[in-house]
Amino acid sequence: DVKVTQSSRYLVKRTGEKVFLECVQDMDHENMFWYRQDPGLGLRLIYFSYDVKMKEKGDIPEGYSVSREKKERFSLILESASTNQTSMYLCASTPHGGPYGYTFGSGTRLTVV
Amino acid sequence: RKEVEQDPGPFNVPEGATVAFNCTYSNSASQSFFWYRQDCRKEPKLLMSVYSSGNEDGRFTAQLNRASQYISLLIRDSKLSDSATYLCVVNMGYSSASKIIFGSGTRLSIRP
Repeated sequence: DVKVTQSSRYLVKRTGEKVFLECVQDMDHENMFWYRQDPGLGLRLIYFSYDVKMKEKGDIPEGYSVSREKKERFSLILESASTNQTSMYLCASTPHGGPYGYTFGSGTRLTVV
Repeated sequence: RKEVEQDPGPFNVPEGATVAFNCTYSNSASQSFFWYRQDCRKEPKLLMSVYSSGNEDGRFTAQLNRASQYISLLIRDSKLSDSATYLCVVNMGYSSASKIIFGSGTRLSIRP
C-alpha cells in the first residue's frame, strides 16, 4: 500500500510565523500535491509537483511556497502565517500516467492564532 | 457555476435503505471520474473509479452520464459504517497531471 505521511497531525502557530508542513511518500510517485480543505469549499489545490525541483501553482498559491528537493518529499511553506490560513492541509501523491486516484496523507490541522 | 457540484446533504437514511446521490460537472471535456469517501477528521480515500459503462463494487454502483454531465453513486443495503462524506472528483484530462476538481462533498448519515 502506498503510504503518504504528513509530519504533524495538529499544529498551532502564531500570526507571522514561518510554518513548514512536511509530506513524504514511500512508493516512488512522481506527482505530489498540496491541498487545503475548508468547510463548504471542498479541497483546493495550492501547489503541485511532477518531479524533483519542479513546482507548479495550483488555484490558491498566494501566501504559500513549496520545495521538492527529493522525489519522496514535498514541503509546503507558509512564509508568514495568517489567521485565514487556518485549515486542514492534505498532501497527496500519484504515479505518472493514469489517471489514477490520489492517495492522501492523514492531514495536518493547522490553527493560526 | 461551480465546476463540480454536489448536494451537500445531509442525507439521513435508515440502515438497510438504498441511497443515491449525484454530482454534476460543467466541463464536457472531462475524462475521468472518481468517488472518494471521507470520514470525519480523516483524509479522503478512493472509493471507486467511475467508468463509462458503469461499475459496481459490492453494494456500491457508480454511473456516468456524459450527455447530462453527471455521475452518480448508489449504495444498497446501507450500513451504519457507510456514514461519511462522499466526494465527487473530476479529472479534466487523460492523466494524473491534468486538472482535477473536487466537489464539496455529500454528507451521509445512516441511522439504526
